Amino acid sequence: QKEVEQDPGPLSVPEGAIVSLNCTYSNSAFQYFMWYRQYSRKGPELLMYTYSSGNKEDGRFTAQVDKSSKYISLFIRDSQPSDSATYLCAIGAGTYKYIFGTGTRLKVLA
Amino acid sequence: ETGVTQTPRHLVMGMTNKKSLKCEQHLGHNAMYWYKQSAKKPLELMFVYNFKEQTENNSVPSRFSPECPNSSHLFLHLHTLQPEDSALYLCASSQEGGGAYEQYFGPGTRLTVT
Repeated sequence: QKEVEQDPGPLSVPEGAIVSLNCTYSNSAFQYFMWYRQYSRKGPELLMYTYSSGNKEDGRFTAQVDKSSKYISLFIRDSQPSDSATYLCAIGAGTYKYIFGTGTRLKVLA
Repeated sequence: ETGVTQTPRHLVMGMTNKKSLKCEQHLGHNAMYWYKQSAKKPLELMFVYNFKEQTENNSVPSRFSPECPNSSHLFLHLHTLQPEDSALYLCASSQEGGGAYEQYFGPGTRLTVT
């Protein structure tokens, strides 16, 4: 079983839609979760960082962690064409150890 | 300059060439990383340095040679590469030891081996 799994997409949505991006993970001891946005041919940009369970909101973005289900989500409200990118989930699994999903490619249609 | 910078942004090299990738972090972090990103694959960790000392080498072929002269600079020396080494090479940094885990990436070097 992979340590973190992420649906690669692609996911296409109309402008203004609510987008839900998800990852599952295997180790219940994981506590640090990140979401990155990566535009084509660019490096990943850290979007959201959460510790333990619960929600964290930043503008149109909400990161949610459900530790009982080992499930993490990123919600994007009022999606814009500029949100079109690949979104990577990542786990801080220990000192120097970061585990990444394969990324979900999102396209927001104008 | 802010964050993590990488040069060059694009590199085309023949299989017999020698080249180097450079990374600099302006975040005061104590750990730096090299990753390889290929299409449809998760990021592959290549090397980790903490305070100039290499802490991990994930079975990377010897044609990739890292160098970390100080905690802000990281190099990846390349020689006799293969076409399958063509990928986006990403540098990242983090502050380890404080109990939190956040990693910041540079823009990457797009490498093409011909």
